[in-house]
Amino acid sequence: NAGVTQTPKFQVLKTGQSMTLQCAQDMNHNSMYWYRQDPGMGLRLIYYSASEGTTDKGEVPNGYNVSRLNKREFSLRLESAAPSQTSVYFCASSVDSNTEAFFGQGTRLTVV
Amino acid sequence: GEDVEQSLFLSVREGDSSVINCTYTDSSSTYLYWYKQEPGAGLQLLTYIFSNMDMKQDQRLTVLLNKKDKHLSLRIADTQTGDSAIYFCAELSGGSYIPTFGRGTSLIVHP
Repeated sequence: NAGVTQTPKFQVLKTGQSMTLQCAQDMNHNSMYWYRQDPGMGLRLIYYSASEGTTDKGEVPNGYNVSRLNKREFSLRLESAAPSQTSVYFCASSVDSNTEAFFGQGTRLTVV
Repeated sequence: GEDVEQSLFLSVREGDSSVINCTYTDSSSTYLYWYKQEPGAGLQLLTYIFSNMDMKQDQRLTVLLNKKDKHLSLRIADTQTGDSAIYFCAELSGGSYIPTFGRGTSLIVHP
């Protein structure tokens, strides 16, 4: 049982490059989330998808887009990477509201 | 808006008890969670408590909730070096899909 799988685990981008972070869950969860974790800032929500076919902005959505491709997959895209987007990105999923979230192992992204 | 506050660091000796504290502001919180993050890993749910409970015990872990003061604590008995990690408090408000996380408390266990 893989749980929440994120790819890649590490990535280095040049300023202005684009990339997509992939996330997939095999737990049949309805809700999926993308967070970024920065030192001293804790976890900040970028985007979330309450259910298949819906996405909404979180606390820090600027510079990102998301796609809920199907129930399993929720991708995060950086169209034009900036150094301020250097962070560790976590994908999470939950059955629905009011249940605990399960996290992926994270993607460490560096933008130079 | 919601706010969850935690101290950033806690240092204890191996074998002692650790108490990690958390305060929150949203009075409509329904669930409160403790997550553990080991170095280089994602967050793992440790335990959770419903807002209508005062205490929950699970082996070495004891969660205490003071709803009046909006204060949540996690006590780890007989702390071991393997307990060294960052501990995140999170709360979920009624009707919300989105848990609000604190900044995390780094627990350092000295031999």
